[in-house]
Amino acid sequence: QKEVEQNSGPLSVPEGAIASLNCTYSDRGSQSFFWYRQYSGKSPELIMSIYSNGDKEDGRFTAQLNKASQYVSLLIRDSQPSDSATYLCAVEGLLYGGSQGNLIFGKGTKLSVKP
Amino acid sequence: NAGVTQTPKFRILKIGQSMTLQCTQDMNHNYMYWYRQDPGMGLKLIYYSVGAGITDKGEVPNGYNVSRSTTEDFPLRLELAAPSQTSVYFCASSSGRPLSGQYFGPGTRLTVT
Repeated sequence: QKEVEQNSGPLSVPEGAIASLNCTYSDRGSQSFFWYRQYSGKSPELIMSIYSNGDKEDGRFTAQLNKASQYVSLLIRDSQPSDSATYLCAVEGLLYGGSQGNLIFGKGTKLSVKP
Repeated sequence: NAGVTQTPKFRILKIGQSMTLQCTQDMNHNYMYWYRQDPGMGLKLIYYSVGAGITDKGEVPNGYNVSRSTTEDFPLRLELAAPSQTSVYFCASSSGRPLSGQYFGPGTRLTVT
């Protein structure tokens, strides 16, 4: 069973701090990794994708990937109250017949940014 | 572009009733997906499609059926609704290109009583 694990939280950080969200995955052959943000009562929204080991930066967001440790993380710099949401880690897997584009989702980490 | 649209937004069904959840995308994506999301349980894949005329089961397909007659539409059919099908249902689509990810519709909140 291929799995994606996340700490459910809640993770509480003060406004302006760095929020660090972590995710581990079980399938060593996984190649593509994604972070989604989901506000309460809304649908998941894609915010970052990463393929290569190392860091990928996009504005206040940095995704970090370590394939040897099967670990992917999301850093949010200068956290704002509007960043308060659940963050879902997703790993692309060849499940269910080997079709590219299938994602395995973690259960998500709830982030709360306090003013 | 409207992206991925879903109807209805909310629905209450009685046990044993049937209904179809509609999903349409205007991004010309070949890949489409149906997920359900229960509180604290993450997203579970119900069915997916890699193109018109091709569908396949995901992790939790029992009690559901799908069809894909066009690239744009991917309806999900619930037959003989049960309380266990109370959930939020999301449709998503993807181009299938590496790192393209999936794009989600706004969801349908379904209650079966």
